[in-house]
Amino acid sequence: KNEVEQSPQNLTAQEGEFITINCSYSVGISALHWLQQHPGGGIVSLFMLSSGKKKHGRLIATINIQEKHSSLHITASHPRDSAVYICAVNSGGTSYGKLTFGQGTILTVHP
Amino acid sequence: DSGVTQTPKHLITATGQRVTLRCSPRSGDLSVYWYQQSLDQGLQFLIQYYNGEERAKGNILERFSAQQFPDLHSELNLSSLELGDSALYFCASSPRGGPYSGNTIYFGEGSWLTVV
Repeated sequence: KNEVEQSPQNLTAQEGEFITINCSYSVGISALHWLQQHPGGGIVSLFMLSSGKKKHGRLIATINIQEKHSSLHITASHPRDSAVYICAVNSGGTSYGKLTFGQGTILTVHP
Repeated sequence: DSGVTQTPKHLITATGQRVTLRCSPRSGDLSVYWYQQSLDQGLQFLIQYYNGEERAKGNILERFSAQQFPDLHSELNLSSLELGDSALYFCASSPRGGPYSGNTIYFGEGSWLTVV
C-alpha cells in the first residue's frame, strides 16, 4: 500500500460542476501539498497545509490531521482546470522538500 | 513563472552516456530539491541540497549524483544511462523556514530526458 493514496484516479466533469479530490496518507506529516501539473509538464504548488483549511479563488483545500486525510475542492469548474492534481506529504524535519507523492488525479472538465 | 530555471528542457542521449542537468533556484532560496517523474514510478524525491551541503537523500541511484555550487545553482549528474532513466527531472527551491513559516516549494519546468 502506498503511503499516499489519491482518489479518484480519473475524474471527468462538466463545466460548472463542484469537484472533490481526496488524499489519504499513512505517515505522520509536517505539511501536505496540493500540486497541479498541466499537460506541458510544469508543476505548480496550489496549497501547502499543516492544519485546517485554505482557500484561493475557486479552490479550497482542507486537512484533517487526526484522520490523515485531505481534500481539494474546485467550485464552478472550468475547462482550464483540466490538469493532473497531485497530493504530496512531507514527513517532517527540516527537509520539507523531501516529499512523498500520490499517484495523481487526472481531471478533465468539458465545456 | 516560478523563478526556478532548468536547462536543458529536452535531451536525447544514448544508453551508457552521461548527462548533466542544471538548475538555478529562485533568487535567495538556499534549498534545492531534485525529483524524477517516470511513467512507471510517478514522482519521486531524489535529493536535497541546502546552501551547498547535502541535506536529505531519497531514491537516488548510485549512478546519479548532485551538487550545489557557491552561487546556489545545482547540477544533477546522471551516468551510465539506461533506458529506464528516461523521465522528466524536476528541480525545485524553497525559502528558509519551511512550512512552519508558511513557505512553499517552487518547481522548475523540468528537463525531459530520453535515453535511446
